[in-house]
Parts: sequence; structure tokens; C-alpha cells
Amino acid sequence: KNQVEQSPQSLIILEGKNCTLQCNYTVSPFSNLRWYKQDTGRGPVSLTIMTFSENTKSNGRYTATLDADTKQSSLHITASQLSDSASYICVVSSSGGYQKVTFGIGTKLQVIP
Amino acid sequence: KAGVTQTPRYLIKTRGQQVTLSCSPISGHRSVSWYQQTPGQGLQFLFEYFSETQRNKGNFPGRFSGRQFSNSRSEMNVSTLELGDSALYLCASSPGQAHSGNTIYFGEGSWLTVV
Repeated sequence: KNQVEQSPQSLIILEGKNCTLQCNYTVSPFSNLRWYKQDTGRGPVSLTIMTFSENTKSNGRYTATLDADTKQSSLHITASQLSDSASYICVVSSSGGYQKVTFGIGTKLQVIP
Repeated sequence: KAGVTQTPRYLIKTRGQQVTLSCSPISGHRSVSWYQQTPGQGLQFLFEYFSETQRNKGNFPGRFSGRQFSNSRSEMNVSTLELGDSALYLCASSPGQAHSGNTIYFGEGSWLTVV
């Protein structure tokens, strides 16, 4: 069964600090992995998309890494801002005739002043 | 360029009723996909339509159905509503098939409460 597990479930950090969110998956065959940011009550917004051959992808202060061998991904947030407070969701898609997409439950990040 | 538009934003229905939600994709996007989000289960994929054909489907009962029109606008319908159907229903659009590497753009969602 395809699964995506994210850790931690929730995280509180001080403004200006860095943090790293983790995503482990058991999705096969692998197609791509995405990270989304979702503000409370809003739709998710895409941060990064990575395919099998990509190790790192950056989007401003957000940097995602992918280790396809260990089936792990991380999202690193540098110099956090109050506006980074949101849920971060890892999504893994499998390839094949009928593509499947599996969502992680998300990490709820709170940045405090 | 207008984003993905979903209507209605909020609605309350009674158990046993049916509901239809509407989604207008970004202009030029041919794929529309639907998702259910609940606090306990997180985001779950319902189905995807591309050029009026259902191309992908999640593990939801037949009470959940959808369609896409020639202008790429989409509707999803839930029949015989249950309390557990209370959720945020999100629609997303993309230029090509949603989960094959294209960027997906989400709407703000429709909040459904079943009482």
C-alpha cells in the first residue's frame, strides 16, 4: 500500500530560525514528489516538484531534497518569517497506466516572534 | 490571469441530500482534479478530468461523481450525503495531466457541512 509519512506533526520555531520538515514514502513506481504550503482555510500552493533524477530544488527560502534510494525527502525553510506559519504537505505520485497520488497528513508549522 | 474559482464557498446540507460543487479552472488548463480534505484524513484525491474524460480516480464510493464540460469547467456531485462527507472540497487545475509533473493550482475550496 502506498504511504507518505511526515514528521514532525507540528513544530513551533522562533522567527528568523531555520527548520527542516521530513517526508518518508513507500510509493512505487515513483513518478514525482511535491511539497505544498497550505495556509489555514486556503487552498494549497505548490512549492516544489521533484522527479526521480532531481536531488534538490529551491524556491526562495524553501529548499527541498530528495533521496530516491532511501525514499526520503526534506523541506528546509531558511530564516523563517511569520508568514511561513502554515501546514506543509508532502505529496507523492506513482507512474503507470493509472496514476495514483498519495498525500501526507502534513506538518503544522507555527513561527512565533 | 484569474485563478481557480470554486462555488459555492460554504454550504450546509442535510443527511440524505445531494450536493453539486462547481469549479472553473485557469484559462487554458485542460485538467481539473478534485480532492477532499478533513482534519482526520488530510487531503485525499477524488478524481481527475482531462479533456472531458475521467483520467484518474481515487478510492471513494460511487456516491462521489464528477464531470467536465467542453470549456474545461467541472462539477462534482455527492449523492445521499452522510455526516462523514463534511469536509473542504478542493478543486485544482493544471495545463496537462495533474500528477505527471505539471504544476497544480488549487482553488480556495468549498466548505461542506452535513447535518
